[in-house]
Amino acid sequence: QSALTQEASVSGTVGQKVTLSCSGNSSNIGSFTVGWYQQISHGAPKTVMLGDSLPSGIPDRFSGSKSGTTASLTISGLQPEDEADYYCSTWDYTLGGHAVFGGGTKLTVL
Amino acid sequence: EAQLVEYGGGLVQPGGSLRLSCAASGFTFNNYQLNWVRQTPGKGLEWLSYISGSAHTIYYADSVAGRFTISRDNAKNSLHLQMTSLRIDDSAIYYCARMSRTAWYFDLWGRGTLVTVSS
Repeated sequence: QSALTQEASVSGTVGQKVTLSCSGNSSNIGSFTVGWYQQISHGAPKTVMLGDSLPSGIPDRFSGSKSGTTASLTISGLQPEDEADYYCSTWDYTLGGHAVFGGGTKLTVL
Repeated sequence: EAQLVEYGGGLVQPGGSLRLSCAASGFTFNNYQLNWVRQTPGKGLEWLSYISGSAHTIYYADSVAGRFTISRDNAKNSLHLQMTSLRIDDSAIYYCARMSRTAWYFDLWGRGTLVTVSS
């Protein structure tokens, strides 16, 4: 069982806005910024959001936010190429410190 | 362009050992914290280990503590993972991941190297 909780699956149509969530607790999301990673067809993960900042080369239809112990990744104007697995992660200060991941959300573009 | 390239994966028998490496280029290596993350086919990402830029701080996941050892050679821009007492459930793709200098998340990933533990 993952330390961070994500929806197992989310779907949307082309052009739609979708939001993926990542829930944790005070020792992880409540204390640290969250990263989001896209994995297409079991390829290598690619960072698509660092907190609320876009890495270079990531389209601005991606945005990130956090409220309390829940982080969100929003994709506005969904595109077919956005179909992928999305994972969130952050740090957790318990047990001496360790990184934690969500279980991943499978985003399907209908 | 910043890049991470893993190598050293392969087939190993249960109880055996393997050393993974990650070659870095395109950035000032010793300024960054690095990690190993793995993924079992069809499953999610699992963090394994962290090492600070100076190698003074190291963390391990419980699943690999005592069996795996992370290290780095800042003169050669390389990261390593020495894996011992390998088990069948250690079979996975192993990724090298760079941690952002400003926050505790990963801003650069390698393409991964496959480790298969089987008799």
